[in-house]
Amino acid sequence: QEQLVQSGAEVKKPGASVKVSCKASGYTFTGYYIHWVRQAPGQGLEWMGWINPNSGGTDYAQKFQGKVTMTRDTSISTAYMELSSLRSDDTAVYYCARGGRRVTTVAAKFDYWGQGTLVTVSS
Amino acid sequence: EIVLTQSPGTLSLSPGERATLSCRASQRVSSNFLAWYQQKPGQAPRLLIYDASSRATGIPDRFSGSGSGTDFTLTISRLEPEDFAVYYCHQSETFGQGTKVEIK
Repeated sequence: QEQLVQSGAEVKKPGASVKVSCKASGYTFTGYYIHWVRQAPGQGLEWMGWINPNSGGTDYAQKFQGKVTMTRDTSISTAYMELSSLRSDDTAVYYCARGGRRVTTVAAKFDYWGQGTLVTVSS
Repeated sequence: EIVLTQSPGTLSLSPGERATLSCRASQRVSSNFLAWYQQKPGQAPRLLIYDASSRATGIPDRFSGSGSGTDFTLTISRLEPEDFAVYYCHQSETFGQGTKVEIK
């Protein structure tokens, strides 16, 4: 059964960085894009970008360019999302989600989601 | 970038009633790549519908999606107690703002 399991909650000070992991199991990790989506408290869903686990290629939402870095380690079927220069408005739950298999369907649907990682930015 | 506008913001209904949720795109959605998700408090979103009208694995048939172009609808034929939640439409890099279905 396909599953994405994320790392635990983090508390960071403003200006710091955070790195969240997302471990895939039950399917071929390199066969599907991984997306990152965040949700601020009481707010809706915001797409941050994707990584192609096969090639390592990435595409980030314009809002997050220069602030987010997505990487992967295929040997352990794990994707990572690092967010830098944290501010209080980066406080949110961060989700990884499985996307499509090809570039034409990369974000057509997110069929499996991690459980979410709460990142709290506070001085 | 496509903007997705969901309506209504909140839908107050009783169990057993029919729910109709709307999602309007600011421009035509290519290949009808429009998906719907359900989210309950403290949980990750769950895929319900993809490609505008295809039910995801394990989703009950009381959930159905329709529409094309710029106008899409999620219908829940008879609300069960577990269906009260927030619903989001999604296209590529964009999510709608959500519709909350609450118990009347």
